[in-house]
Amino acid sequence: EDKVVQSPLSLVVHEGDTVTLNCSYEVTNFRSLLWYKQEKKAPTFLFMLTSSGIEKKSGRLSSILDKKELSSILNITATQTGDSAIYLCAGCGGNNNDMRFGAGTRLTVKP
Amino acid sequence: KAGVTQTPRYLIKTRGQQVTLSCSPISGHRSVSWYQQTPGQGLQFLFEYFSETQRNKGNFPGRFSGRQFSNSRSEMNVSTLELGDSALYLCASSLWKSFVGNTEAFFGQGTRLTVV
Repeated sequence: EDKVVQSPLSLVVHEGDTVTLNCSYEVTNFRSLLWYKQEKKAPTFLFMLTSSGIEKKSGRLSSILDKKELSSILNITATQTGDSAIYLCAGCGGNNNDMRFGAGTRLTVKP
Repeated sequence: KAGVTQTPRYLIKTRGQQVTLSCSPISGHRSVSWYQQTPGQGLQFLFEYFSETQRNKGNFPGRFSGRQFSNSRSEMNVSTLELGDSALYLCASSLWKSFVGNTEAFFGQGTRLTVV
């Protein structure tokens, strides 16, 4: 059965720290991996990764996919309190190209 | 451009009742997926509709059902509610479901269902 596992489940850091969130996946007919940030209700899209080893970057956030290790990491540098959220990753694949989500990592950034 | 709209935002029901939740996708989007989010289980896939057809269904009992209308709006229904159905129900819309690559999905604010 397909599954996506995120670690850690929760993380508390102080402003200015750098964090690395992990996502491992076992998805049949894998096509892409997506990262979302969920602050209150609606998850908002961060990155979509399809190729191994190519880093995607947006401001202080970056992510990379390792197809050999079936994993991805999301890095956040110089964290701010506004980065506090649940970070979700989802593997896309299967017969219908559906998204299977991990349980999420709850990041808390303290001032 | 309006985002994904879910109604109602909050709902309280008693055990045994049924409930219908609504999702209006972004204009032009034809794919709507539904997810249940609970603190312990994360986002779990319920079902996905494309052009009024259910294309895939997650591992939920038959009490959970859905449909999509010709304008791409979707509804999900839960019958004979149980306490464990209390959750945030999210829908996501995307332009289409490509078999070559996936377009990112845009989520609504969700409906918080509480079953008492």
